[in-house]
Amino acid sequence: AQRVTQPEKLLSVFKGAPVELKCNYSYSGSPELFWYVQYSRQRLQLLLRHISRESIKGFTADLNKGETSFHLKKPFAQEEDSAMYYCALVRAGNNRKLIWGLGTSLAVNP
Amino acid sequence: GAGVSQSPSNKVTEKGKDVELRCDPISGHTALYWYRQSLGQGLEFLIYFQGNSAPDKSGLPSDRFSAERTGGSVSTLTIQRTQQEDSAVYLCASSLEAGEQYFGPGTRLTVT
Repeated sequence: AQRVTQPEKLLSVFKGAPVELKCNYSYSGSPELFWYVQYSRQRLQLLLRHISRESIKGFTADLNKGETSFHLKKPFAQEEDSAMYYCALVRAGNNRKLIWGLGTSLAVNP
Repeated sequence: GAGVSQSPSNKVTEKGKDVELRCDPISGHTALYWYRQSLGQGLEFLIYFQGNSAPDKSGLPSDRFSAERTGGSVSTLTIQRTQQEDSAVYLCASSLEAGEQYFGPGTRLTVT
């Protein structure tokens, strides 16, 4: 069965420190993976997707098929990065149903 | 253009009453999704509409939950005989067939 695991419910770092939000997945096919972010009092929005291999707001994520991971990283965290982060997987095919992790709440302290 | 909108933004209802939640997707988006976001539970998929295909209802938690999408646009999620465990934020998202999902602001449902 497809599954997305985010092992950390809460992650607290200091401003300027590196941050890594972990995401592991189980899927037998070729997954498409995403990171979504929800800032306080804002709607859920796409942060980045693995197929575009881009950096958004300083965040990057690399798909590691060997480790079935898609960890989100930023070298220097900022206070405005404090938010809820969700890792999600979309199955190949017609049904683009996202399979979600439970989310990691990131707190960046001054 | 306008994003996904949902109404009402907040709904407080008594246990046992029926509620209807509305979602207006982005114009032209063929896919529409309903999710539930409960405290400490993450995001739970409920139902998915894609064009004229039969909806994927595999996430609906019970037969008290149903959803319709009229004319390939607006969708209504109906919860009959609400229970306290139905209290959550209900999110709607829409997408083009193979694109990212755009989320609405959600409807916060409180069953007392």
